[in-house]
Amino acid sequence: GQQLNQSPQSMFIQEGEDVSMNCTSSSIFNTWLWYKQDPGEGPVLLIALYKAGELTSNGRLTAQFGITRKDSFLNISASIPSDVGIYFCAGPPQGAQKLVFGQGTRLTINP
Amino acid sequence: GAVVSQHPSWVICKSGTSVKIECRSLDFQATTMFWYRQFPKQSLMLMATSNEGSKATYEQGVEKDKFLINHASLTLSTLTVTSAHPEDSSFYICSAEGLAIINEQFFGPGTRLTVL
Repeated sequence: GQQLNQSPQSMFIQEGEDVSMNCTSSSIFNTWLWYKQDPGEGPVLLIALYKAGELTSNGRLTAQFGITRKDSFLNISASIPSDVGIYFCAGPPQGAQKLVFGQGTRLTINP
Repeated sequence: GAVVSQHPSWVICKSGTSVKIECRSLDFQATTMFWYRQFPKQSLMLMATSNEGSKATYEQGVEKDKFLINHASLTLSTLTVTSAHPEDSSFYICSAEGLAIINEQFFGPGTRLTVL
């Protein structure tokens, strides 16, 4: 079935560093969503992207919808301890109502 | 806004019993809700799409007679795991799609099911 390839799978960084992760698909998406999941919790929507080329920020987070509509990236600037968690990209395949998810990027921050 | 709740947050049951999980959209109406399961260190896997007033649409490989879904109102969907077995132990998460923005799903906090 439809899959999103998300990388990296895990990241170990120092507090204060910037983080970048991305998501690619073999087919076109009209919407890209980025979620964060803390342990034992449901995912929380961080940023939603609806237009190719769109660049959207939410505080220290910035995400872009790739021009080809087959990729998206999420950047976190000046990481802090509460950024720890698993980040998922997601999107609905064309014509579908449901979401497919990337495999997730597990972010660990060393103080 | 866009708050989704789930109840219970965790449940432990004996093998063979049935467990009901509720998903509610607290401050918006949701014609469509989704049920996912998530195994440790894995991504979310969609089980079924629940539409208010109609039958749920199950993903391939998900047994509809084992995972009963009822979406009786615009704010409530329930998932019943019937005759639960240890392999059903997982983290079950629901989400609701708002009426205003299609495809934007808001997730509940999840329910941890442990079947002994």
